[in-house]
Amino acid sequence: LAKTTQPISMDSYEGQEVNITCSHNNIATNDYITWYQQFPSQGPRFIIQGYKTKVTNEVASLFIPADRKSSTLSLPRVSLSDTAVYYCLVGDNTGGFKTIFGAGTRLFVKA
Amino acid sequence: EAGVVQSPRYKIIEKKQPVAFWCNPISGHNTLYWYRQNLGQGPELLIRYENEEAVDDSQLPKDRFSAERLKGVDSTLKIQPAELGDSAVYLCASSLATWDMNEQYFGPGTRLTVT
Repeated sequence: LAKTTQPISMDSYEGQEVNITCSHNNIATNDYITWYQQFPSQGPRFIIQGYKTKVTNEVASLFIPADRKSSTLSLPRVSLSDTAVYYCLVGDNTGGFKTIFGAGTRLFVKA
Repeated sequence: EAGVVQSPRYKIIEKKQPVAFWCNPISGHNTLYWYRQNLGQGPELLIRYENEEAVDDSQLPKDRFSAERLKGVDSTLKIQPAELGDSAVYLCASSLATWDMNEQYFGPGTRLTVT
C-alpha cells in the first residue's frame, strides 16, 4: 500500500494561491491520487482526483509529475472558508482496495 | 439529492454499555464504508461493504464491534461493550461503485463519548 506524506500544517492569507504537496514514493501503476477536504464537525469531502499530468475542476488543480511520486494540490485565491484539513490518498480499485487517510495538512487562511 | 444520513449525531454512554450507529447511504450507491476518526487524525477504515457483503473488515475489532448491511442499503455499526478508547467520531461514507475510485461521499458522523 502506498504511503503518503504531507506537511502537517500550512498558513496562508486570503487571496493567495496555496500549493500542498504530497509525497507517495511507492505509488503503484494502478493507483490514482485523490484529495479530500474536511471542515470541523463534518465528514471529508472529495475535491479532485487524477492519475497523471494535470487535472482541473472548479475548486482546485492537481499537478502530477511524470514519475507520479508526488502530487500538488493547488487552491487558487483562497478565502477564510478554505481553512480546513486536506488529505491526500492513493489507491486503486483492484482486489484489496483500501482507503487510507493520513493525518492530513491543516491549512489556516488568515485575513 | 439527499446526502449520506447518519444518526445519532452525538452519543454519550458509560463504559461497558452497548451503542449502535445507523447509516443511510446515497440512493443507488452500492459501496458503503464505516470509518473511525480520532481527534487530530485522519479517518481509519473499519469495514467496507459491496452491496450486502462485507468485503474488507480487516480493521474491525471483531471482539466488540459488529456491523451489518441488510438488503444492501442501510447499515448499522454496533459496539458491545464500549470502552473508553472507543470515544471518537464514527463516519459513514458511500460510493457508486468500486471502479469509481475514492470518490466517497461522507455523512456528518456520530460523535461518541464513552465515560
